[in-house]
Amino acid sequence: GENVEQHPSTLSVQEGDSAVIKCTYSDSASNYFPWYKQELGKRPQLIIDIRSNVGEKKDQRIAVTLNKTAKHFSLHITETQPEDSAVYFCAASPAGNTGFQKLVFGTGTRLLVSP
Amino acid sequence: ETGVTQTPRHLVMGMTNKKSLKCEQHLGHNAMYWYKQSAKKPLELMFVYSLEERVENNSVPSRFSPECPNSSHLFLHLHTLQPEDSALYLCASSQVVAVPYEQYFGPGTRLTVT
Repeated sequence: GENVEQHPSTLSVQEGDSAVIKCTYSDSASNYFPWYKQELGKRPQLIIDIRSNVGEKKDQRIAVTLNKTAKHFSLHITETQPEDSAVYFCAASPAGNTGFQKLVFGTGTRLLVSP
Repeated sequence: ETGVTQTPRHLVMGMTNKKSLKCEQHLGHNAMYWYKQSAKKPLELMFVYSLEERVENNSVPSRFSPECPNSSHLFLHLHTLQPEDSALYLCASSQVVAVPYEQYFGPGTRLTVT
């Protein structure tokens, strides 16, 4: 089955710096890659996603890139702010599920943005 | 209330107790999920219901028993749990569509087994 690895496990940056979180997946048939942000004590919330027919997607300060050949995808956050501090999870959705999404998650990256 | 709600938010139970976790979604979705979130481990998918039918049981021990009476409600019945079952249990919902789409999570139930 699908296996997702995520690095780094913790990331500390200064406010205004960029942050990059990387994930690799094992199932070449996976076709959907969401990123979730979980603030302390709160629910995971989708911040951006990308499908396998797209190489890059941007939403303001957040971007995701996908390299299907290498089977890895990355989250890029520019001009980081203290409110970006949270745990970020990547996930991959193997193809073949009818309707529902079987998401396989990475272990998470704790991002700390210092003022 | 909007979105996905879960009750109770916190639960402490002994190993011989029986309790139930409840999830309700107000989004008109027709797929619901139970996840287990333990410290330093990835979110683990436990069960999936699509159109009120269980379509995934991810090798979960029988001491966890899900129930989905309708597309808006999902329960997780717990009995004779072990201390290692202590975790945050998250419910999520999504729309059953041809292409993958966002899952909306509830706030979770923090379970402690003593």
